[in-house]
Amino acid sequence: DTEVTQTPKHLVMGMTNKKSLKCEQHMGHRAMYWYKQKAKKPPELMFVYSYEKLSINESVPSRFSPECPNSSLLNLHLHALQPEDSALYLCASSQGAGPTDTQYFGPGTRLTVL
Amino acid sequence: AQSVSQHNHHVILSEAASLELGCNYSYGGTVNLFWYVQYPGQHLQLLLKYFSGDPLVKGIKGFEAEFIKSKFSFNLRKPSVQWSDTAEYFCAVNDPYSGAGSYQLTFGKGTKLSVIP
Repeated sequence: DTEVTQTPKHLVMGMTNKKSLKCEQHMGHRAMYWYKQKAKKPPELMFVYSYEKLSINESVPSRFSPECPNSSLLNLHLHALQPEDSALYLCASSQGAGPTDTQYFGPGTRLTVL
Repeated sequence: AQSVSQHNHHVILSEAASLELGCNYSYGGTVNLFWYVQYPGQHLQLLLKYFSGDPLVKGIKGFEAEFIKSKFSFNLRKPSVQWSDTAEYFCAVNDPYSGAGSYQLTFGKGTKLSVIP
């Protein structure tokens, strides 16, 4: 089973709202990722967790706050977002954090910020 | 930093035509190469990957790709496309020596393939 699940599928929020995106995998993977994908663009890496520790933060604004409560779960907390943050947010996981570890992607959460 | 170029933005083919999508990465050394596909309304799925060994890699659904180190290329091919191959195709490179850590998957901008029945 190579499934990564994400909830919700769609989210509409105002600029003053606080919301969270959730990602889950049960493949025993120890690395998890958040990507942002704008329309007609490739995915852009936001955060990487390896063994539940934040390893990479690609200069993402603080209005995005990741959390890895355990090895199967990854959250992205959203606060005071801007309309330009509207995008598809993808979660991925891989067995380890090595260069040959294949990343498996979830279906994404389509976020609209009003 | 590594960059990935996919030269074709949109490719339109008739069913049974042969497909080749270009992918070039910016500089050499040891890299790991991937092709992902995103069917309409679906998530990114791995088509195939190359780490080392035989430069001709076979993936799922009849796709293959050839790694040519001298040309920094990893082109995707399929001898006969089907309507169900209509999707967006992304080439990606993991350069473990880029300084960004081994997690850094750099994606190309994608090629949209439309197959006409």
